[in-house]
Amino acid sequence: GAGVSQTPSNKVTEKGKYVELRCDPISGHTALYWYRQSLGQGPEFLIYFQGTGAADDSGLPNDRFFAVRPEGSVSTLKIQRTERGDSAVYLCASSRTSGRYNEQFFGPGTRLTVL
Amino acid sequence: AQSVTQPDIHITVSEGASLELRCNYSYGATPYLFWYVQSPGQGLQLLLKYFSGDTLVQGIKGFEAEFKRSQSSFNLRKPSVHWSDAAEYFCAVGGGGADGLTFGKGTHLIIQP
Repeated sequence: GAGVSQTPSNKVTEKGKYVELRCDPISGHTALYWYRQSLGQGPEFLIYFQGTGAADDSGLPNDRFFAVRPEGSVSTLKIQRTERGDSAVYLCASSRTSGRYNEQFFGPGTRLTVL
Repeated sequence: AQSVTQPDIHITVSEGASLELRCNYSYGATPYLFWYVQSPGQGLQLLLKYFSGDTLVQGIKGFEAEFKRSQSSFNLRKPSVHWSDAAEYFCAVGGGGADGLTFGKGTHLIIQP
């Protein structure tokens, strides 16, 4: 079956602009995660959705970052007034939620470059 | 706060030689531990995970890892590496359930012919 997909694969924008990054999780997965991976670093947790609601947004760096998942499937990560420091690969993952632990399946990421 | 340390940024191993990648973690409760691999242009792929029980866990692609609570370590091993193992390897810790994961900075594995 299809894995986690993310669009666009690459996004180049100018400082101060607004961007939206999309994540399409594996069908049937109710949990969805966003991570950010800066150059030479491991992924850094941003936010986690259970269904339509954000269950944990403790990783969002500031109020310029916002994410939604209005129908409990596709999610959009929104970044306002982009800064050069926002340049990174943004990873999305999804998992089922039944059971004690649920493997997170990662998408290929969106590479964001802020000029 | 939880954290993961991967002390080796780069490791070079000859093809056919054994491999050990180090991982140390800090976590306030019983940790759930993971190793992921990331190849260029690919998403993160789970190699193996540890929750409880047998401290030696087997994963895909011939990898294994050993959990040592006394050393707060979860080192990844492979008896004989192949050129296709060249990639970035990440150790991660979580609290179980659907928690977000905390990753280390990764170890870049280079395979010499």
